[in-house]
Amino acid sequence: GEKVEQHQSTLSVREGDSAVINCTYTDTASSYFPWYKQEAGKSLHFVIDIRSNVDRKQSQRLTVLLDKKAKRFSLHITATQPEDSAIYFCAASIASSSFSKLVFGQGTSLSVVP
Amino acid sequence: EAAVTQSPRNKVTVTGGNVTLSCRQTNSHNYMYWYRQDTGHGLRLIHYSYGAGNLQIGDVPDGYKATRTTQEDFFLLLELASPSQTSLYFCASSPHRAEVFFGKGTRLTVV
Repeated sequence: GEKVEQHQSTLSVREGDSAVINCTYTDTASSYFPWYKQEAGKSLHFVIDIRSNVDRKQSQRLTVLLDKKAKRFSLHITATQPEDSAIYFCAASIASSSFSKLVFGQGTSLSVVP
Repeated sequence: EAAVTQSPRNKVTVTGGNVTLSCRQTNSHNYMYWYRQDTGHGLRLIHYSYGAGNLQIGDVPDGYKATRTTQEDFFLLLELASPSQTSLYFCASSPHRAEVFFGKGTRLTVV
């Protein structure tokens, strides 16, 4: 079945620097790739997504890049701020199946230090 | 604002006990999901549903049953709870292949 891997369990950056979180997926039929943020003690909320018909999407300080050949996608956060500190989850959804199943990675805990 | 409400928020039960976790969404979404979150594993999909009466098996279904009674309500049943099912459980809803909205989670402890 589909697997999504986040190989960085933790990431620490200095405030103002950029952060990059990488994910890989296994199923070539995957076509929808969202990212979610979980702040300490809270639930997950959506931050940005990308569909397989594009290879880049930007929303303010967030950019998602998609490399379909390598089956890899990444979240780039520029000008990091302390409030960016959280666990970030990537996910992938298979578009070709009758039902949409969203599979998550293991999460990357981002710490933005002053 | 999309709303997904889980109850209870916290639950302690004994090994072998019977537990039902409830989830209600007021988003008119077709999809509803049950995930469990454990350190080192991220979110793992237990069961999901595409509408009332529909049930799809997720990636870690053993020991869990689910039922979607209405468009709004999705239940997760643990009929013989085990300590390995101690976890943080999230319910979520979404339209087809679009943003997923999560509830606040239910922390279940099996002693």
